[in-house]
Amino acid sequence: GAVVSQHPSWVICKSGTSVKIECRSLDFQATTMFWYRQFPKQSLMLMATSNEGSKATYEQGVEKDKFLINHASLTLSTLTVTSAHPEDSSFYICSVQKQGSSYNEQFFGPGTRLTVL
Amino acid sequence: AQSVTQPDIHITVSEGASLELRCNYSYGATPYLFWYVQSPGQGLQLLLKYFSGDTLVQGIKGFEAEFKRSQSSFNLRKPSVHWSDAAEYFCAVSGGATNKLIFGTGTLLAVQP
Repeated sequence: GAVVSQHPSWVICKSGTSVKIECRSLDFQATTMFWYRQFPKQSLMLMATSNEGSKATYEQGVEKDKFLINHASLTLSTLTVTSAHPEDSSFYICSVQKQGSSYNEQFFGPGTRLTVL
Repeated sequence: AQSVTQPDIHITVSEGASLELRCNYSYGATPYLFWYVQSPGQGLQLLLKYFSGDTLVQGIKGFEAEFKRSQSSFNLRKPSVHWSDAAEYFCAVSGGATNKLIFGTGTLLAVQP
């Protein structure tokens, strides 16, 4: 199997606070993890790519100081939205690639709904 | 640059009818192609994928897709749609030097009883 979990599944926070979202691969080791955000009725937008033990690579236009990514192990990556504001409200989805994957297949988590008041 | 186009934003079909969702890609080399399905408030589930070999690939839930290099297409098909197939469908491409997935804008499928 290829099971990916995210925690929490939803979170509501006040403007100015920080929120941490976890992404775990439950039954395999992940070489690479990806973080996406998705606005209502839109496609997924890649935010960053993270590899275990190294700094994340952010896509153009994504603020690395606002969206902190830590990939501490081969099974866990975290996304921290710092000083969140209402415009950060979105659906955040992580995905993972298996160690040794040859074809870039990604397995997705169930997503985290963030609402900033 | 890599890109994926899903020309149909929204499609409505009757239950039991056949379905075809279109996907065109732009990519300089042999692409890796994927179809994902997303139910409301959920993550993405892989329906099927094409890497090489037989250009007609079978997926889960009775879906299939055909890779046509000459048309740069990877259309998704199902002979008989069920009400539970109502969801958003995303086509994606990857390959070459990058391990990123490039997604299309998605097609929202509605199924009429």
